[in-house]
Amino acid sequence: DGGITQSPKYLFRKEGQNVTLSCEQNLNHDAMYWYRQDPGQGLRLIYYSQIVNDFQKGDIAEGYSVSREKKESFPLTVTSAQKNPTAFYLCASSAARTGVEKLFFGSGTQLSVL
Amino acid sequence: GQSLEQPSEVTAVEGAIVQINCTYQTSGFYGLSWYQQHDGGAPTFLSYNALDGLEETGRFSSFLSRSDSYGYLLLQELQMKDSASYFCAVSLNYGGATNKLIFGTGTLLAVQP
Repeated sequence: DGGITQSPKYLFRKEGQNVTLSCEQNLNHDAMYWYRQDPGQGLRLIYYSQIVNDFQKGDIAEGYSVSREKKESFPLTVTSAQKNPTAFYLCASSAARTGVEKLFFGSGTQLSVL
Repeated sequence: GQSLEQPSEVTAVEGAIVQINCTYQTSGFYGLSWYQQHDGGAPTFLSYNALDGLEETGRFSSFLSRSDSYGYLLLQELQMKDSASYFCAVSLNYGGATNKLIFGTGTLLAVQP
């Protein structure tokens, strides 16, 4: 079955530690996205990539980094510079590079700080 | 800046009809879409409007007025399983060079028996 796989489902970060969230898709989609969701709030865009080896900052990119070395993969690193990382992180992909019509989401990673 | 507004909560009874409104202020508007998210789950796509008018998909319909920067999601014959958060999202495109989806803060729909 085609879809988006995020791992791990739950992740704990210690102070000063970098952690990486995995996102893999087998939908052959060009565009991939990372969103952050805080309790009772909407989704805020962290980074997005429309093509391999290229990505752009979203609205809240500070303290995060990404790479897009393969079409199928778009990992997100939460660095120690992100002072409030506790949130639900969602990865998504879309077939269209322009005029995004439909996003397919992974099941998310809940990140907490120890 | 970009902004989307939708009500924070809506309550309705089973079998009823409910309308969730969304107003937006953006540049590079390309289209308006709606997503459903059950508690703890991933958002799932419901509908998309690029042109003015009504789009119908089963019990759900979505409307867009580009001149009014306004849209709504209409849910008919409400069922208990429709209790969820509903997000409007604006698709932005800047001449093909930049393309992204910005979400509203969501409307929590509670369906009561």
